[in-house]
Amino acid sequence: EAEVAQSPRYKITEKSQAVAFWCDPISGHATLYWYRQILGQGPELLVQFQDESVVDDSQLPKDRFSAERLKGVDSTLKIQPAELGDSAMYLCASSLAAFKLAGVGETQYFGPGTRLLVL
Amino acid sequence: QKEVEQNSGPLSVPEGAIASLNCTYSDRVSQSFFWYRQYSGKSPELIMSIYSNGDKEDGRFTAQLNKASQYVSLLIRDSQPSDSATYLCAVNQMDSSYKLIFGSGTRLLVRP
Repeated sequence: EAEVAQSPRYKITEKSQAVAFWCDPISGHATLYWYRQILGQGPELLVQFQDESVVDDSQLPKDRFSAERLKGVDSTLKIQPAELGDSAMYLCASSLAAFKLAGVGETQYFGPGTRLLVL
Repeated sequence: QKEVEQNSGPLSVPEGAIASLNCTYSDRVSQSFFWYRQYSGKSPELIMSIYSNGDKEDGRFTAQLNKASQYVSLLIRDSQPSDSATYLCAVNQMDSSYKLIFGSGTRLLVRP
């Protein structure tokens, strides 16, 4: 069964350092999502790509976070510099498209996530 | 941003009982609703999606949707200890991104 791949699975860093996460979506999935999940909360969308284009990055802290999906396949999320409050699970998800038809969203499938701890 | 609300729990039920998980949402025009299960330290796993009013059954799971009341629920029949997890309700926001808005989740504990 096809899965979303993410690496690393765990990352410990010190504040002010740079960190990067990688995601490879399910083959053929045009839409890719990066979420952040703080303990005890639901995932919150950081950025959404349709192929190589950003569709929504309204919740991405652009002063320190950046994301790219240069060839419309795999994607990288970067944080520089990391802050203590960035400690969270970073989840990547993918879907065939953003929606099946007007009004009906496509199912999103999640990777295993990257757990980040900033010291 | 539109909201999705869930009772954080924990909801504790005995093994074999029916667990009922509830979710309300604020965006009246939302059309797509999803239930994900998340074990501690793991990523969300899709259980069910529902798009039309009424019930949708899949094995021991039944999703119920009432758009007029802006309410979606998940019933788990014959609950097993392995069902103990956090259940996340997610709703598509009706804009150009169709992004998912997640609730904070309800923690379910199934007692042996």
